[in-house]
Amino acid sequence: DVKVTQSSRYLVKRTGEKVFLECVQDMDHENMFWYRQDPGLGLRLIYFSYDVKMKEKGDIPEGYSVSREKKERFSLILESASTNQTSMYLCASSRLAGGSYNEQFFGPGTRLTVL
Amino acid sequence: SQQGEEDPQALSIQEGENATMNCSYKTSINNLQWYRQNSGRGLVHLILIRSNEREKHSGRLRVTLDTSKKSSSLLITASRAADTASYFCATVLRNSGNTPLVFGKGTRLSVIA
Repeated sequence: DVKVTQSSRYLVKRTGEKVFLECVQDMDHENMFWYRQDPGLGLRLIYFSYDVKMKEKGDIPEGYSVSREKKERFSLILESASTNQTSMYLCASSRLAGGSYNEQFFGPGTRLTVL
Repeated sequence: SQQGEEDPQALSIQEGENATMNCSYKTSINNLQWYRQNSGRGLVHLILIRSNEREKHSGRLRVTLDTSKKSSSLLITASRAADTASYFCATVLRNSGNTPLVFGKGTRLSVIA
C-alpha cells in the first residue's frame, strides 16, 4: 500500500521557534509538494521539488524554506514561526510521467498551531 | 493562484440522491483531476480526465469535461453518508513546464442519512 507519511498530526509551537515538518514517501516519486490549507482559501502551494536537491517556489513561499536531501524525504522549515502560520500543512508526492503531472498522493496532514 | 473554482461551495442532500459538483477553470489544461478530502485528513485522488476526453466513469462517479466551456462536473450517484467530504478539482495547465496542479477551493458535500 503506497504511503505518504508526515512526522506529526498535531503540533503546537511558540512564536519565533524554528519548526521542521517532515514528509516521507515510499513510492519512489520524483515530485514532492508542500501545501497549506486554510478555511475559505483552499490549498495553496508553498514549495515543490521535482528532484533531489531541487526546489521551486510555489504561490506562498514567504516565511518558509524546504530541504530535499534524499528522494523520499521533503522537509518544510519555518525559520521563525509566526501566528499567521497556524494552519493545516499537507505534503504530497507524484510521478512525473510524459512531462505531465499525474495524480498526487497526500499525507494525512499536520495541524500546526503557533501561539 | 486559483485556476479552478468549484460550484456550489456547499451541498446538502439525502442519502440515495445524486450529487453534482461543477468546476470552472480559466486557461487551457492538459488534464483535470478530482480529489476528496474527509474532515481533517489528506486528499485522496478520485479520477483524472484528459483534455481529449469528454466523459469518464469510476464506480458511482461520473466526470465530464467540456473544454469549450472550460468546465467539468463530478456526479456521485446513489450517495451514501460516507460520501460526506469536501471535493476539489485540480488542473494541470497546458505547456506549463514544471508548474504543478492548481487546486480549487472545494465543494463541501453533506449526505444526510
